[in-house]
Amino acid sequence: QVQLQESGPGLVKPSETLSLTCTVSGGSISSYYWSWIRQPAGKGLEWIGRIYTSGSTNYNPSLKSRVTMSVDTSKNQFSLKLSSVTAADTAVYYCARAPGSLYWFDPWGQGTLVTVSS
Amino acid sequence: EIVLTQSPGTLSLSPGERATLSCRASQSVSSSYLAWYQQKPGQAPRLLIYGASSRATGIPDRFSGSGSGTDFTLTISRLEPEDFAVYYCQQYGSSPSSFGGGTKVEIK
Repeated sequence: QVQLQESGPGLVKPSETLSLTCTVSGGSISSYYWSWIRQPAGKGLEWIGRIYTSGSTNYNPSLKSRVTMSVDTSKNQFSLKLSSVTAADTAVYYCARAPGSLYWFDPWGQGTLVTVSS
Repeated sequence: EIVLTQSPGTLSLSPGERATLSCRASQSVSSSYLAWYQQKPGQAPRLLIYGASSRATGIPDRFSGSGSGTDFTLTISRLEPEDFAVYYCQQYGSSPSSFGGGTKVEIK
């Protein structure tokens, strides 16, 4: 079955850019919507945004000015960049798949902790 | 943005008991585009219910979802030891998609 795996630096300095990649295995990345979701320690879930395999994107307005997503279908990967990070961006970041534009998330990656600290 | 409010924040129950979790939306969720997830410590959320009442693949039938409009419910008919976890609702009918704050189901 399809599996997702997040990768990237676990520590980012304040004001710098957080960069993460999600690798999709066990299936094609094509024809699905791919999202990033984050969860600060002990808190709830926040949808960051999504990208379709064509490259079209939708971002949460609360983060839109700082978020960029991209997709590389040849590598079965998609990526997240979040600029000008602060301690408030410290969270576990998940990637997840949605079957369409108005759909639930399934499956999810295991998540990766990103800490913003100098 | 649609705000989802889950209640109670914590539910203390014993194995075998029935759990009823509520998710209330600040405005109507179109076409019952509401999902429920289970999350255990150190794990990613797992999809339980989509479309307000459809069970995801492999989910036991003790889990059921109901509701429409602004009021939704997740019911666990008889709690098993592995069901003690945090549960989140999510609406995906309008952008941005949003999640509730979660209900923790703990062992009494």
